[in-house]
Amino acid sequence: GENVEQHPSTLSVQEGDSAVIKCTYSDSASNYFPWYKQELGKRPQLIIDIRSNVGEKKDQRIAVTLNKTAKHFSLHITETQPEDSAVYFCAVFSGGSNYKLTFGKGTLLTVNP
Amino acid sequence: DSGVTQTPKHLITATGQRVTLRCSPRSGDLSVYWYQQSLDQGLQFLIQYYNGEERAKGNILERFSAQQFPDLHSELNLSSLELGDSALYFCASSPGTAKNEKLFFGSGTQLSVL
Repeated sequence: GENVEQHPSTLSVQEGDSAVIKCTYSDSASNYFPWYKQELGKRPQLIIDIRSNVGEKKDQRIAVTLNKTAKHFSLHITETQPEDSAVYFCAVFSGGSNYKLTFGKGTLLTVNP
Repeated sequence: DSGVTQTPKHLITATGQRVTLRCSPRSGDLSVYWYQQSLDQGLQFLIQYYNGEERAKGNILERFSAQQFPDLHSELNLSSLELGDSALYFCASSPGTAKNEKLFFGSGTQLSVL
């Protein structure tokens, strides 16, 4: 089945700095790559996603890049704010006979004021 | 509010017991996913249903079972409960089509097995 590796597991940055979280996957047929943000005690919420026919997507301070050849994708957060502090999960969607969304183990991002 | 409703929000029970978690998907969504989240753990995929049929299975124990009903709500049944089953159980829904797998999560059911 799909194997999703996410790094780092924890990340601490100063307010205003950038944060980058990386994920790698194993199934070359995977075609959809969302990122979810989970605040403490809350549900995971979709913050940005990208499909395999696109190399980069940006939404205000958040961007995702995808390298299909190398099978990795990254979340970039610029001008971080304390409210960005949360656990971030990457996920990979595999279609075909193994139809499911597999999540990475998460990155705890702490933005220090 | 994601539009996905999970009940109950909290459940406290004893080892050996059986519980049922309920999920109502967003209006129009045909697919329901169940995930387990333990302390310091990620989101472990359990099972997915699409329009009443099982579509994909993850690391779901034999003591656990699920189903999706004709009205598209889903139930996750956990039996012979063990202390290690204590976790936050999330349900998520999506349209379920190949071009639209955006998942929307419910607020979860916190299960405590004592």
